[in-house]
Amino acid sequence: ETGVTQSPTHLIKTRGQQVTLRCSSQSGHNTVSWYQQALGQGPQFIFQYYREEENGRGNFPPRFSGLQFPNYSSELNVNALELDDSALYLCASSQGTDSGANVLTFGAGSRLTVL
Amino acid sequence: AQSVTQLDSHVSVSEGTPVLLRCNYSSSYSPSLFWYVQHPNKGLQLLLKYTSAATLVKGINGFEAEFKKSETSFHLTKPSAHMSDAAEYFCVVSDPGGYNKLIFGAGTRLAVHP
Repeated sequence: ETGVTQSPTHLIKTRGQQVTLRCSSQSGHNTVSWYQQALGQGPQFIFQYYREEENGRGNFPPRFSGLQFPNYSSELNVNALELDDSALYLCASSQGTDSGANVLTFGAGSRLTVL
Repeated sequence: AQSVTQLDSHVSVSEGTPVLLRCNYSSSYSPSLFWYVQHPNKGLQLLLKYTSAATLVKGINGFEAEFKKSETSFHLTKPSAHMSDAAEYFCVVSDPGGYNKLIFGAGTRLAVHP
């Protein structure tokens, strides 16, 4: 079975720009969640997509948005980039929406640097 | 609210010696607890998971963790460290909100010396 793949692996943007990060979920998984991992910290939950709709969100502003497609792949969009947005962005897929019951499979991440 | 505290930011052991990574949790519910490992340039990998069954949980690669409710702890152990165990380890609690929100600790970096 294929795992979770993310693209691009690395990218550099300047403050104020917009970025789109992509994620292909593991085969058989219907739920995608996104996490932000700042340097030296643990990942923080951004949001989750299930059936092409956002159905859970962490403490992130609206300029963080996403999409889920019929094939369960997903995009994370960040508008008006700020320096503090520099981080590793992790995508995780699962079969179902309850992290207590389901195992999340994580991708290797997209490292964003904002200058 | 749920939270986890990893008591050591760095742990250094010699190859072949035991590993102990400490984690305390706070939860208003009966928690689901996890340990994940992160190797450089690789995705987070699940080591083990506790969901109120046996309090001693065995995971992959010889790791295990013991859930102690009285101490609100979920420490990760391995009897004998291997060089390949060098990585970042995260103690994690699930948010009971019904979606895939995991709450991560700050991480413990494990170094293994020959």
